[in-house]
Amino acid sequence: AQSVTQLDSHVSVSEGTPVLLRCNYSSSYSPSLFWYVQHPNKGLQLLLKYTSAATLVKGINGFEAEFKKSETSFHLTKPSAHMSDAAEYFCVVSDLDGGSQGNLIFGKGTKLSVKP
Amino acid sequence: NAGVTQTPKFQVLKTGQSMTLQCAQDMNHNSMYWYRQDPGMGLRLIYYSASEGTTDKGEVPNGYNVSRLNKREFSLRLESAAPSQTSVYFCASSPLAASSTDTQYFGPGTRLTVL
Repeated sequence: AQSVTQLDSHVSVSEGTPVLLRCNYSSSYSPSLFWYVQHPNKGLQLLLKYTSAATLVKGINGFEAEFKKSETSFHLTKPSAHMSDAAEYFCVVSDLDGGSQGNLIFGKGTKLSVKP
Repeated sequence: NAGVTQTPKFQVLKTGQSMTLQCAQDMNHNSMYWYRQDPGMGLRLIYYSASEGTTDKGEVPNGYNVSRLNKREFSLRLESAAPSQTSVYFCASSPLAASSTDTQYFGPGTRLTVL
């Protein structure tokens, strides 16, 4: 069965410094992987997704993630944090088993704080 | 383009009361989903509907029922609410039926408190 682990529950950075949110996955197959963002009291929005094409995936708002099969990782990065990036980020793997294909399995989330 | 809409936005129930959460999408998507979000738990799938006329259990279906009324609408019913069902509920939809590469689009959520 697929699973995903977000290694940090909370990350705090200063505005203008790099962001790194870490995610490891477990899958018997070549998975589809996603990062979603949730701003306070809002729904979830897709940042980017990996579906077995290029291993470096670019998303919205300057975020990108690199799929590393050897490390079973899909870390999210951004070169320079902005105050508006403060939110909760979810790493997600898509279930590939039979009839439930397409169901998402969520990590527990990483809350990103950005200090001025 | 409204996307995925949910009603109500907030609800307070007493233990044992029933209610239905409504969800509708206007994107002609095939699949629809109900999740609950609890602090430190991420989102967990309650039920899903891969296409009109079908529904299946997710990870945490106990205490809930669903109806895929038509292609647009997917409702979630709590027959006898319990305090453990206090949560934020999200509805989502995706274009295809049962595709591992599909993007899901989320509604704004319903905050439910059961006293």
